[in-house]
Amino acid sequence: GNSVTQMEGPVTLSEEAFLTINCTYTATGYPSLFWYVQYPGEGLQLLLKATKADDKGSNKGFEATYRKETTSFHLEKGSVQVSDSAVYFCALSASGTYKYIFGTGTRLKVLA
Amino acid sequence: NAGVTQTPKFRVLKTGQSMTLLCAQDMNHEYMYWYRQDPGMGLRLIHYSVGEGTTAKGEVPDGYNVSRLKKQNFLLGLESAAPSQTSVYFCASSYSPGLSDTEAFFGQGTRLTVV
Repeated sequence: GNSVTQMEGPVTLSEEAFLTINCTYTATGYPSLFWYVQYPGEGLQLLLKATKADDKGSNKGFEATYRKETTSFHLEKGSVQVSDSAVYFCALSASGTYKYIFGTGTRLKVLA
Repeated sequence: NAGVTQTPKFRVLKTGQSMTLLCAQDMNHEYMYWYRQDPGMGLRLIHYSVGEGTTAKGEVPDGYNVSRLKKQNFLLGLESAAPSQTSVYFCASSYSPGLSDTEAFFGQGTRLTVV
């Protein structure tokens, strides 16, 4: 079946450090891939998405590239800020299905 | 534009009590979902609906029932609450998952505690 695996957290970084959160997936066909962010006490918000191989999604300095050969969609940011502290979820929507499959989430804490 | 609205935001129930969580969306989306979020488990799909009058089971449906009598509303019911149902519940909606790059839109969540 379809699934998403992302690195366990928490991840603790100093401000301006480089961020990578790993995400790999298993799916039939060509899924769409998403990163969502959840700030404390809030719902999930879409951060970025990609719909086909080699697509790069980007938003607010975050980037992720859809890698079909490695079935990965790693999230990166060159310089994190305290305000980026949140939980990040990788997700997929597989073609022909009606559902979104989420990873377990990775908590990021950025220290000033 | 309100998006996806969940009520209530917080609730404490005693074991055995019943309650209904309401989700409303104003984006004319066909697809709606109920997830629960637990520490270390991520989001798990409880039930979903692909259109008005339809419902289907997700990954963890036991102990819950749903109804989609109107396109804009998706109700989640707990008939006899148990402590294992203590969780944060999220409703989401989508225009057309799996067929395009459309994302799911989420509500703010309902924090439910069963004592």
